[in-house]
Amino acid sequence: QKEVEQDPGPLSVPEGAIVSLNCTYSNSAFQYFMWYRQYSRKGPELLMYTYSSGNKEDGRFTAQVDKSSKYISLFIRDSQPSDSATYLCAMSAATGFQKLVFGTGTRLLVSP
Amino acid sequence: DSGVTQTPKHLITATGQRVTLRCSPRSGDLSVYWYQQSLDQGLQFLIQYYNGEERAKGNILERFSAQQFPDLHSELNLSSLELGDSALYFCASSTPLHFGNGTRLTVT
Repeated sequence: QKEVEQDPGPLSVPEGAIVSLNCTYSNSAFQYFMWYRQYSRKGPELLMYTYSSGNKEDGRFTAQVDKSSKYISLFIRDSQPSDSATYLCAMSAATGFQKLVFGTGTRLLVSP
Repeated sequence: DSGVTQTPKHLITATGQRVTLRCSPRSGDLSVYWYQQSLDQGLQFLIQYYNGEERAKGNILERFSAQQFPDLHSELNLSSLELGDSALYFCASSTPLHFGNGTRLTVT
């Protein structure tokens, strides 16, 4: 069993929909949680970064962490075709973000 | 633009060969992280350097090695290449990590 599980998708939604992306994990030592967006042929781009449990909002993006359930989510409001990409969750137990553990990514397709 | 620069963008080489990938971290960053992304394994941490010294190791093969130079750029050396080494290799720096656009390695 992988330390971080993420549904590969693809997840197809119409423009304007609310998108929910999720990851589960097994290592209770994880404290830092990140979401990255990766376009084809590009490097992962950091979207959100949270520490421990709780919510964090940045524009159309909201990240949620539920450590008791070992479950993290990324919500995208008013989704746009430009949001079509692969979304990777990542987490770390150590300070300094050493040895980040990534999910395999969920491919999101937003149709106009 | 993440500020992390990687060269070359693409590399095509034959089995048994050796290649060198280069990375310049974001200005002022002392750490460099190397990751490998393959279709079946996702992003895997290889190795971290901090100010010229190895700081952490992940799933890096013995055929692979890295170093960080006094100007803080880093090189990842891959030798005795196998077909299975074909992947995207990313470099990252900063806290939290910001990634470059990677080097796509194809071993034929």
